[in-house]
Amino acid sequence: EIVLTQSPDFQSVTPKEKVTITCRASQSIGSSLHWYQQKPDQSPKLLIKYASQSFSGVPSRFSGSGSGTDFTLTINSLEAEDAATYYCHQSSSLPRTFGQGTKVEIK
Amino acid sequence: EVQLVESGGGLVKPGGSLRLSCAASGFTFSSYSMNWVRQAPGKGLEWVSSISSSSSYIYYADSVKGRFTISRDNAKNSLYLQMNSLRAEDTAVYYCARDTPVDVWGQGTTVTVSS
Repeated sequence: EIVLTQSPDFQSVTPKEKVTITCRASQSIGSSLHWYQQKPDQSPKLLIKYASQSFSGVPSRFSGSGSGTDFTLTINSLEAEDAATYYCHQSSSLPRTFGQGTKVEIK
Repeated sequence: EVQLVESGGGLVKPGGSLRLSCAASGFTFSSYSMNWVRQAPGKGLEWVSSISSSSSYIYYADSVKGRFTISRDNAKNSLYLQMNSLRAEDTAVYYCARDTPVDVWGQGTTVTVSS
């Protein structure tokens, strides 16, 4: 099973600040890494697919990078509405796995 | 509008059974693989099961293998999850989710396993 480890677990950030969340895979997964945003009491939403491809309708301040075992989700100029928990997810192999989540709080 | 609507959740005793349903609309259901993903209270996301568009390929997480059965009816635009021998650790919100990576999520249905 591929284990995804996100860091940090929690981040408190001021609006307009830049946020960086990392996801490390226990073995190489190529670019089969996706990022989701989940706000309280809502279903998750796809932000980035295949490491760096922005999903339709997602604000341009969200971007992704990486390949192999190390991946990054960047939020440029954080907005209040970005308060949420962010998850990485791999589709390289079964079982599909998710990172433990990174909660982003607005100061 | 593309939509997934789950139903069938509820309170069940340990060892009991439950069948979840997911009604799809707004897209060609038979063209997509489908998944069930769950989230225990206050916890992260856990993939449960996947089924290919024609039901040819079916996969399960080890935690539910032998107890849960995923199925679909393309004529009815519906996805199902039959859950048997339920345990307390199966308590979660269960999401119906389209494709890989998941690009559409349902609103979730809550399953509580408790005596």
